[in-house]
Amino acid sequence: GAGVSQSPSNKVTEKGKDVELRCDPISGHTALYWYRQSLGQGLEFLIYFQGNSAPDKSGLPSDRFSAERTGGSVSTLTIQRTQQEDSAVYLCASSQSSGRDSPLHFGNGTRLTVT
Amino acid sequence: AQSVSQHNHHVILSEAASLELGCNYSYGGTVNLFWYVQYPGQHLQLLLKYFSGDPLVKGIKGFEAEFIKSKFSFNLRKPSVQWSDTAEYFCAVIGGGFKTIFGAGTRLFVKA
Repeated sequence: GAGVSQSPSNKVTEKGKDVELRCDPISGHTALYWYRQSLGQGLEFLIYFQGNSAPDKSGLPSDRFSAERTGGSVSTLTIQRTQQEDSAVYLCASSQSSGRDSPLHFGNGTRLTVT
Repeated sequence: AQSVSQHNHHVILSEAASLELGCNYSYGGTVNLFWYVQYPGQHLQLLLKYFSGDPLVKGIKGFEAEFIKSKFSFNLRKPSVQWSDTAEYFCAVIGGGFKTIFGAGTRLFVKA
């Protein structure tokens, strides 16, 4: 079946512009996660959705970052007034449930470059 | 707060050499442990996982990992690496709650 799909795969934007990153999880997966991968920094947790609600937003770096999920499926991560330090690969992952025994299935990521 | 430490950021080995990548976590309660791998140009994928039971778990492609509770460790091993094992390896833990916390990753380069 189809895996986790993210778009765009690459995004170059000017400092100060807003960007939207999209994630289409595996069908039937109720849990959805956003991570940020910076060089040498590993994966930084941003936000977690169970269905359409976000019980854990603790990783969002600032109020310029927001995310939503509609219909228990597609999620959008929005970064307002982008800064150069926002440049990174943004990864989306989904899992069958929010249970501790559900491994994550990752998309290929969106590489964001802020110039 | 939970955290995961991977001691080696870059590892270079020759084919047929043995591999051990270190991973330590900080969380005193029950944990679920994972190793994920990212091959060049591909997405992250699960290599192996530990939930309970036998602390020595086997994953794909001949990899194994051992959970040592007293050491808060979950080291990844492979007796004989191949060039195709060149990738970045991430240790991850779920401690309290349901959030997967990742280490910084180890880049492995295997010389043919």
